[in-house]
Amino acid sequence: GAVVSQHPSWVICKSGTSVKIECRSLDFQATTMFWYRQFPKQSLMLMATSNEGSKATYEQGVEKDKFLINHASLTLSTLTVTSAHPEDSSFYICSARDQGFVAGKQSSYNEQFFGPGTRLTVL
Amino acid sequence: GQSLEQPSEVTAVEGAIVQINCTYQTSGFYGLSWYQQHDGGAPTFLSYNALDGLEETGRFSSFLSRSDSYGYLLLQELQMKDSASYFCAVTGGGNKLTFGTGTQLKVEL
Repeated sequence: GAVVSQHPSWVICKSGTSVKIECRSLDFQATTMFWYRQFPKQSLMLMATSNEGSKATYEQGVEKDKFLINHASLTLSTLTVTSAHPEDSSFYICSARDQGFVAGKQSSYNEQFFGPGTRLTVL
Repeated sequence: GQSLEQPSEVTAVEGAIVQINCTYQTSGFYGLSWYQQHDGGAPTFLSYNALDGLEETGRFSSFLSRSDSYGYLLLQELQMKDSASYFCAVTGGGNKLTFGTGTQLKVEL
């Protein structure tokens, strides 16, 4: 049932470059996806909500021009970290929810399905 | 603002029962979830409470008191593999999840 994948699982890049992270729902359609960031030994912080076919909504304090989000289809959302700096090094995790059926069963209103995460290291 | 407080660390022995508490202060509340996260991994869903009371799923149970803005996760018959971080999370408007500070559970022999 409900699987969310992320690619790449880890990436190392030089300061100033841009990095794109993909989040895919493999067996269901996700009208909404969420992007989180997690620093070591800390909690998950919601960065933005990605809405299929419309602009993402960003949480307070998250720069939308630095973290570009595109939700071009019902199964894919991308997060691009532009002009990455060492302080952007973190674990980025996406999640997806479906309002309908997931793997043949009515999806739970409350449950989000998380991807395996992408560890970004900026040198 | 939103805040969810949990103990930072709990240690227990294999076979024991442990309770992880969560107190929250949020604007907008649909329910309280619990997630488990092993080092380097993604959070996995454990349970959800929308109404007051106890929900039981195998060795794990979760409790909610909306009037007290409080909930807990109860883990029974602890196993070594239960060593992980546990997060409570509130579902608010827009189905957004706000996560708690997290509790690192260490299970010892």
